[in-house]
Amino acid sequence: QSALTQPASVSGSPGQSITMSCTGTSSDVGSYNLVSWYQNHPGKAPKLMIYQGSKRPSGVSNRFSGSKSGNTASLTISGLQAEDEADYFCCSFAGSGTRWVFGGGTKLTVL
Amino acid sequence: EVQLLESGGGLVQPGGSLRLSCAASGFTFSSYAMSWVRQAPGKGLEWVSAIGSGGGTTYYLDSVKGRFTISRDNSKKTLYLQMNSLRAEDTAVYYCAKYSSSSGPDAFDIWGQGTVVTVSS
Repeated sequence: QSALTQPASVSGSPGQSITMSCTGTSSDVGSYNLVSWYQNHPGKAPKLMIYQGSKRPSGVSNRFSGSKSGNTASLTISGLQAEDEADYFCCSFAGSGTRWVFGGGTKLTVL
Repeated sequence: EVQLLESGGGLVQPGGSLRLSCAASGFTFSSYAMSWVRQAPGKGLEWVSAIGSGGGTTYYLDSVKGRFTISRDNSKKTLYLQMNSLRAEDTAVYYCAKYSSSSGPDAFDIWGQGTVVTVSS
């Protein structure tokens, strides 16, 4: 069982918006503004999509946005495109001992 | 081009050892902390270990403490993970990942393609 809880799957049609959640605890997501999201296509290197909860790295589409409320972080993808179909993992800093915790991943299907 | 390339994975018997390597290019390797992250078959990502930019500070997942050792050679721009006393539950794809900030924990902005470790008799 992963440290952060993500829904196993979400789906949406092209052009629609979807939101996926990432629930942690007051020791990780709730304590630090260091939630990041990664897109993982099978057989490829994971790609950073969101860092510090809501910031986008250079080159990442503004269709991707992140937010946090309490112990839960969220990733929203607007204007869904076929190439968005992938697994998405959330991650949070968890302090000097545990360091980093990840979610189990959410499989996004673009219908 | 900023790149990380892992190597050293393979099939090993329980109790055996492997050393993974991660060759970096395209950035100032010595300025950034680095980590190893793994993904077991059908499971999510799991952070394994991290090392500071100078190599003097290391961190480990509790289940690998005392068995795995992370190290780096900044002159060779290479990160290592020495894995001893391997168990079936260590079977996974192992990724090396670069910290996005040189000034503290932030996120992992560059990942390698991964190397597969299989622990089985």
